[in-house]
Amino acid sequence: QQQVKQSPQSLIVQKGGISIINCAYENTAFDYFPWYQQFPGKGPALLIAIRPDVSEKKEGRFTISFNKSAKQFSLHIMDSQPGDSATYFCAASILSTGANNLFFGTGTRLTVIP
Amino acid sequence: AAGVIQSPRHLIKEKRETATLKCYPIPRHDTVYWYQQGPGQDPQFLISFYEKMQSDKGSIPDRFSAQQFSDYHSELNMSSLELGDSALYFCASSFWGLSGNTIYFGEGSWLTVV
Repeated sequence: QQQVKQSPQSLIVQKGGISIINCAYENTAFDYFPWYQQFPGKGPALLIAIRPDVSEKKEGRFTISFNKSAKQFSLHIMDSQPGDSATYFCAASILSTGANNLFFGTGTRLTVIP
Repeated sequence: AAGVIQSPRHLIKEKRETATLKCYPIPRHDTVYWYQQGPGQDPQFLISFYEKMQSDKGSIPDRFSAQQFSDYHSELNMSSLELGDSALYFCASSFWGLSGNTIYFGEGSWLTVV
């Protein structure tokens, strides 16, 4: 059972455009929501993360928007660049229990066209 | 900065054979995680260790076992290998701190079962 649902499966964006990836979850115990970027043959790398006590977090061109009541969160990549072409995974975990294993979304393959 | 080191990077085994993957976490990290990622799939949590004790268990088959040693490195042992075990296996590590628990992934070990 997929605990975190992610869409779209693939996304093509022109250079300079905005890439938006959406995720939804059901388990209200989740209290940590990271986004990972993965290039082919490489391990996932943490991009940005948010806790449910804030509605938005911005780091450079990357912004997470979080809607606790809707149990949804999204990643916005502003001024998308060809180097951003990768697979993006949202994830969720429960920090408070100490286990913190990540439940990943199904991934979004982003292609930024020059 | 030191990263999570995994070995071997590539491994080819025959059905019913045994394979062992090794992981060296980032120094001073107290938690190690193992994930399995099939082609085009999201990473699936297998098992984790906190301070050398198993802390959580995910979708790890009974044919697999893992442990964390006194020097904090971890090994994933896979026996009676099946074709479906072919995947990229990631080790990740983290350190519990006041700011949270960022999980860092290694480059992965490619296991091919033929």
